[in-house]
Amino acid sequence: AQTVTQSQPEMSVQEAETVTLSCTYDTSESDYYLFWYKQPPSRQMILVIRQEAYKQQNATENRFSVNFQKAAKSFSLKISDSQLGDAAMYFCAYRSLNFGNEKLTFGTGTRLTIIP
Amino acid sequence: EAEVAQSPRYKITEKSQAVAFWCDPISGHATLYWYRQILGQGPELLVQFQDESVVDDSQLPKDRFSAERLKGVDSTLKIQPAELGDSAMYLCASSPRQGSLGELFFGEGSRLTVL
Repeated sequence: AQTVTQSQPEMSVQEAETVTLSCTYDTSESDYYLFWYKQPPSRQMILVIRQEAYKQQNATENRFSVNFQKAAKSFSLKISDSQLGDAAMYFCAYRSLNFGNEKLTFGTGTRLTIIP
Repeated sequence: EAEVAQSPRYKITEKSQAVAFWCDPISGHATLYWYRQILGQGPELLVQFQDESVVDDSQLPKDRFSAERLKGVDSTLKIQPAELGDSAMYLCASSPRQGSLGELFFGEGSRLTVL
C-alpha cells in the first residue's frame, strides 16, 4: 500500500516571500500521479498542481512549482510571492494508475499561514 | 463551472441516531468517491464507485456504514447508528472515466457532529 508523509503540520510565511512544503511518499509502482491540493477554510479542496511520475521535468503553475525527486520519493511544493489567499491546508496526494486502485492517498496536511 | 454537490453541509445528531449524506457528482463522471476527513488529518477513502458498482470499500465500517449509487449518478452514504467517533467531514469527489489526468473534483463536504 502507498503512504504519503507530510512532516510539517504548520508553516508560516511573510506575504510576498517564498515557502516550500515538504512531502515524501512510499510506493513500489513505477508510474503514478502526485498532486498538491489546497483546502481553504470551509471551502472545497482544489487542485494546485499535478506531476506525472514518468515526466522528469518539474511541473509549474504560475507561482506554484514542485521539486519532484523520484528516486528519493520526494515531492515538495514551492509557493513564490505568497499571497493572503494562499492561506489554507495543503495536502500532498498520490494516485496509482492501476485500475481499481485509482483513489487518492493523502498526507496529513500542512496548514499554511500568510503573515501580512 | 460544474461542481460536485453535497448535502447537508452541516449535520448535528445524537449518538445511536441514523444520518445520511447525499452527493451529486459532476455530470458524466463515472467514478465517485466518499472520503472521511477527521479534524487535523488527511482524507481517507471510505468507498469508491465505478458507475453503480463498488470498486473499493475496504475501509468502510460495514457494520454501521452503507453506501449506494443505484443508477450510477448520485450517491448516498448512510451511518446507522452514529457513534461519537464518526464526527468528521465527509467529502464526496468524482472523476471522469478518462481525460482528467488523474484529478479528482471535490464537493464542499458534509460536516457531521455526533453528540
